[in-house]
Amino acid sequence: DAKTTQPPSMDCAEGRAANLPCNHSTISGNEYVYWYRQIHSQGPQYIIHGLKNNETNEMASLIITEDRKSSTLILPHATLRDTAVYYCIVRAGGTSYGKLTFGQGTILTVHP
Amino acid sequence: GAVVSQHPSRVICKSGTSVKIECRSLDFQATTMFWYRQFPKQSLMLMATSNEGSKATYEQGVEKDKFLINHASLTLSTLTVTSAHPEDSSFYICSARDRGGSSGNTIYFGEGSWLTVV
Repeated sequence: DAKTTQPPSMDCAEGRAANLPCNHSTISGNEYVYWYRQIHSQGPQYIIHGLKNNETNEMASLIITEDRKSSTLILPHATLRDTAVYYCIVRAGGTSYGKLTFGQGTILTVHP
Repeated sequence: GAVVSQHPSRVICKSGTSVKIECRSLDFQATTMFWYRQFPKQSLMLMATSNEGSKATYEQGVEKDKFLINHASLTLSTLTVTSAHPEDSSFYICSARDRGGSSGNTIYFGEGSWLTVV
């Protein structure tokens, strides 16, 4: 699996956009970028995923650079409930399809 | 959206006993499910891949005789921690892949199960 690099922590003011970066410079052409978040004592929650085009859903937007070596997760209007650990994961393909390797993620703290 | 459910959410067992954790995909069929373990302040670590109708595949360093996995149907996988010891106390999480639906090929996680061995 391609390794990802994320900042260990970030802060964001409530109501502002939270932009979480992720580097995945060794990503392969058929690998997707997935974002999950984990709120304390809960299982990870799926946020969004993409291959090469930018994606948007009701939770967030995902911006992937043209060379696919990095991406940014955008929470447009962060709330206190968005405080969590955010994981950027590049998914393995083939027989290990669905197998996810978690790094340390980014601890996002949204403050009033 | 797709939901994966785990049961129990919390369990306390005595040292030396066995405990079973269930993982169910509620609105999709999952031929493959995954079991993770997470210790406090650490990231998730994959333990094994559960395959419907066949043996599970374990990650290096995970004892298959201690962590028994059964995937008897397309919606249920179970993890049994045998002869549990206090060091097995952890947060156990399962995931399953939804190959269909509008989300297509998305992996969903259960709520997790806290195991405390006393």
